[in-house]
Amino acid sequence: QVQLQESGPGLVKPSGTLSLTCVVSGGSIASSNWWSWVRQPPGKGLEWIGEINYSGTTNYNPSLKSRVTISIDKSKNHFSLKLTSVTAADTAVYYCAIMVPPLRDWGQGTLVTVSS
Amino acid sequence: DIQLTQSPSFLSGSVGDGVTITCRASQGISSSLAWYQQKPGKAPNPLISDTSTLQSGVPSRFSGSGSETEFTLTISSLQPEDFATYYCQQLYSYPYTFGQGTNLEIK
Repeated sequence: QVQLQESGPGLVKPSGTLSLTCVVSGGSIASSNWWSWVRQPPGKGLEWIGEINYSGTTNYNPSLKSRVTISIDKSKNHFSLKLTSVTAADTAVYYCAIMVPPLRDWGQGTLVTVSS
Repeated sequence: DIQLTQSPSFLSGSVGDGVTITCRASQGISSSLAWYQQKPGKAPNPLISDTSTLQSGVPSRFSGSGSETEFTLTISSLQPEDFATYYCQQLYSYPYTFGQGTNLEIK
């Protein structure tokens, strides 16, 4: 088991960029796993955003692909999410997780609100 | 994208009851299906992978079955801690998608 912790601003202005980092502890991010982002709008279901592996290969949800970038920093044992041109529809709890599969270990989640 | 439809969306039961949740895929996904349990304010907790493989620490009253387009999660005897929302997720093809969730409440 690894521990994951999301961090980043809880409030982002419309048309701005959402930036989150997920710090991994209890294991190396350079392991042969995929590192994922999932979001959940308030009161709604789960949406898979995308994932990255240790070599930097990414897979994104096509519904977000034009706006999303996931990156990895092996020296800091963390991976990151950037989502550009945000709107109120991007307001959600954002989770990072390790795909074993399944999505075995999750961060506690961080609420990001898009509002002026 | 592969769509997953869970039924029912809402379910009520009493402690000791057996319940079943169904997840239907819009196309065949072999056995590449996982189930998660989520309680309010918490991250999802994985219960089952590959249709029927119980994750470490998950009680044996949970079981999964199915293949291709129809899958079920069964709880054989509801316990108070089982009242939660349950999601299925397909891991067959990108983008990985989730069902809309089944809210299991106490009757």
